[in-house]
Amino acid sequence: ETAVFQTPNYHVTQVGNEVSFNCKQTLGHDTMYWYKQDSKKLLKIMFSYNNKQLIVNETVPRRFSPQSSDKAHLNLRIKSVEPEDSAVYLCASSLQGSSTEVFFGKGTRLTVV
Amino acid sequence: GDSVTQTEGLVTVTEGLPVMLNCTYQTAYSDVAFFWYVQYLNEAPKLLLRSSTDNKRTEHQGFHATLHKSSSSFHLQKSSVQLSDSALYYCALSTGYQNFYFGKGTSLTVIP
Repeated sequence: ETAVFQTPNYHVTQVGNEVSFNCKQTLGHDTMYWYKQDSKKLLKIMFSYNNKQLIVNETVPRRFSPQSSDKAHLNLRIKSVEPEDSAVYLCASSLQGSSTEVFFGKGTRLTVV
Repeated sequence: GDSVTQTEGLVTVTEGLPVMLNCTYQTAYSDVAFFWYVQYLNEAPKLLLRSSTDNKRTEHQGFHATLHKSSSSFHLQKSSVQLSDSALYYCALSTGYQNFYFGKGTSLTVIP
């Protein structure tokens, strides 16, 4: 049962274009994340947002930026895509605390041509 | 820094046989929790197991894992795998500062 919703499911675009991915969670969580899953299935955290404050940024290129209107939404914008940005982008959410579970959306698959 | 190392690449097991997927970790934090996530083809990763208690076995869907802080390990085991267990498995560590560190993932394939 999905409670983290991502759109679109797929997106194909050309190098240099701007893209934006949407994410909404209906779990009442206070923290949201963006992960990148590359072709080797590595899961790398990109951003996490808690109460509209960016609290983790793992050396992500500056062309990436998270955008949040409220604690239920965290969008991801890529200003000028590069070929190496082709990947699956997974949105997730959780409550605060070390033992709390992270819930993932189904992902947005980006292909840069 | 914090990190998770798990059995990498592909693991192939015959149906009905046991499997163990290794996971070891490094962390400077004491208040940490450990997770195994499973990702089936074209689906989102989802929680399989979690633990933050040393030497306590946790079980779900026939899988079990025991956190051993003495050896910094949280290996995933199942005594008899099924075809439906074929999936990608991630070990993860949470430090409580909204940092979830995932291992590189292990692809388990169960063959008849």
